[in-house]
Amino acid sequence: GAVVSQHPSWVICKSGTSVKIECRSLDFQATTMFWYRQFPKQSLMLMATSNEGSKATYEQGVEKDKFLINHASLTLSTLTVTSAHPEDSSFYICSARDELAGETDTQYFGPGTRLTVL
Amino acid sequence: QKEVEQNSGPLSVPEGAIASLNCTYSDRVSQSFFWYRQYSGKSPELIMSIYSNGDKEDGRFTAQLNKASQYVSLLIRDSQPSDSATYLCAVKRAGGFKTIFGAGTRLFVKA
Repeated sequence: GAVVSQHPSWVICKSGTSVKIECRSLDFQATTMFWYRQFPKQSLMLMATSNEGSKATYEQGVEKDKFLINHASLTLSTLTVTSAHPEDSSFYICSARDELAGETDTQYFGPGTRLTVL
Repeated sequence: QKEVEQNSGPLSVPEGAIASLNCTYSDRVSQSFFWYRQYSGKSPELIMSIYSNGDKEDGRFTAQLNKASQYVSLLIRDSQPSDSATYLCAVKRAGGFKTIFGAGTRLFVKA
């Protein structure tokens, strides 16, 4: 149980274009999902907390107009990187909490999406 | 002071030895503690969670929590080359959903 998927697993795009990344909880419902970014040899950086049916909560320094988050259902959150630039190239990882499980604080991670902006 | 601190390593141990990974945290009201393993180029995978003081064992892994000292550790017995990865300590405060991750400790198990 507690499987999280992401799509696509990797994407290459041109500078100035937008890229959408999907995060799905496959066998549980998640009112809260999290979006992280990880640069090479660095730790996870929380970008935002995605809340089903309401606005996402962004961490300090993360531009909400650039990183659009939509959490329209209990199993799907999307992150759209708008007007992507080479400095946005990174490993984007989502996670979700299984709120009906015994240990509701545990986050389960998706496999990640590697974004390369040319 | 970082909220969750780990020695970046690398920690190198021979195959079959015990690997000991340590983590300290600054927020005294933290209530949930996790160890994740992350292979290069992959996302983190949960190894163990621990909520109460003391030891928690799962196979070759033992997590130890000491809330008075604000200290969490992970012991890996009979270390295998496949255990070579970065180990992330994560701490969640009481209230809210946010979990803080340490920078990770790189472990190398030499065959």
